[in-house]
Amino acid sequence: QVQLQESGPGLVKPSETLSLTCVVSGYFISSGYYWGWIRQSPGTGLEWIGNIYRDGNTYYNPSLKSRVTISLDTSKNQFSLRLTSVTAADTAVYYCVRAFSEGIFDSWGQGALVTVSS
Amino acid sequence: ELVLTQSPGSLSLSPGERVTLSCRASQIISSSYLAWYQQKPGQSPRLLIFAASTRATGIPDRFSGSGSGTDFTLTISRLEPEDFAVYYCQHFGRSPYNFGQGTKLEIK
Repeated sequence: QVQLQESGPGLVKPSETLSLTCVVSGYFISSGYYWGWIRQSPGTGLEWIGNIYRDGNTYYNPSLKSRVTISLDTSKNQFSLRLTSVTAADTAVYYCVRAFSEGIFDSWGQGALVTVSS
Repeated sequence: ELVLTQSPGSLSLSPGERVTLSCRASQIISSSYLAWYQQKPGQSPRLLIFAASTRATGIPDRFSGSGSGTDFTLTISRLEPEDFAVYYCQHFGRSPYNFGQGTKLEIK
């Protein structure tokens, strides 16, 4: 059974870069599926950030596209999120997810709370 | 951008009751691109239904989905205590893959 686990700083300063990693166990990310990130905050609910496929093709939410990078590291069986120029509005719980058919999210990490504050 | 509007925002019901939750899209979408999730307090969302009516692995058959075009529903035929949670619909037919704002089921 696939398991996903987020890791990264829980506090990021405004204007800096948020970086999270998702370690996947129980499935090789190079074998298939899409891998992505979704965030949740009280103000905006659930928000899809973006996906990456095993071939490296990425799909981003247009509202975040200019600030987001999702990448794969198949040697470590993990994938990562970078979100630049963060503001308080980026404070949220960030989930890493596995998706099939591009956008059906069938496995979720436990979530990582990231607070943007000086 | 396609917007999903869920109704009602919250419901108070008793175990054993039947409930139908609504999800309305601002544009016509293929039923292939509509999913439902359940989220309990302190937990990650869990996939319940995809392609509007297909139950995900391990989901009890008291959960059913239906709909087409712009109107979709999730029905729980007989509420169990563990079903009291927040339910979200979601589409992925076109970017961005938006979620509805959620319907909260509370125990009466």
